Amino acid sequence: GQQLNQSPQSMFIQEGEDVSMNCTSSSIFNTWLWYKQDPGEGPVLLIALYKAGELTSNGRLTAQFGITRKDSFLNISASIPSDVGIYFCAGQSNQGGKLIFGQGTELSVKP
Amino acid sequence: EAGVAQSPRYKIIEKRQSVAFWCNPISGHATLYWYQQILGQGPKLLIQFQNNGVVDDSQLPKDRFSAERLKGVDSTLKIQPAKLEDSAVYLCASSIRTETQYFGPGTRLLVL
Repeated sequence: GQQLNQSPQSMFIQEGEDVSMNCTSSSIFNTWLWYKQDPGEGPVLLIALYKAGELTSNGRLTAQFGITRKDSFLNISASIPSDVGIYFCAGQSNQGGKLIFGQGTELSVKP
Repeated sequence: EAGVAQSPRYKIIEKRQSVAFWCNPISGHATLYWYQQILGQGPKLLIQFQNNGVVDDSQLPKDRFSAERLKGVDSTLKIQPAKLEDSAVYLCASSIRTETQYFGPGTRLLVL
């Protein structure tokens, strides 16, 4: 079945540093999504990408939909302690289709 | 606007017992999803409802899992009998558009 590979699995950074994480797939997706999950909570949508090559920002977060439609990247600039959590990518093959989630990148930020 | 409500938040049972989870979606959201999230993994879709009809239950282990959304609003997910490998967080989500899903806080199930 379809699988998404996220990397890195975990990151330990200093407050103020920039962060990059990515997600790759062997299949093409028409929509890429990035979610954040805090401990004890459900995932929250951060950014949605709908077109190959699209670059979208949400505050300090920037995500890109890869040209091949098989990958996506999320960057966080000037990290702060509340950025701590698990970041998931998710892909959708067609409108209305189910979301396939990656295994997550766990981010730790040291003040 | 109230979010997706789930109960209970935690449940501990012994294997072979039965358990049920409840979800109340955001008002007006026709689509409701149940996901299973095993520790260290991303959520995996178990079942998707559109109003009270099933859209996708291809990954639901139907020999032991069942779900219903009788009046097209709230939903229950049942496991009977539970196995050790069912220990996970069960997330409910609702949406108007499939890519903009709003998740509840989840029910943490531990099967001993």
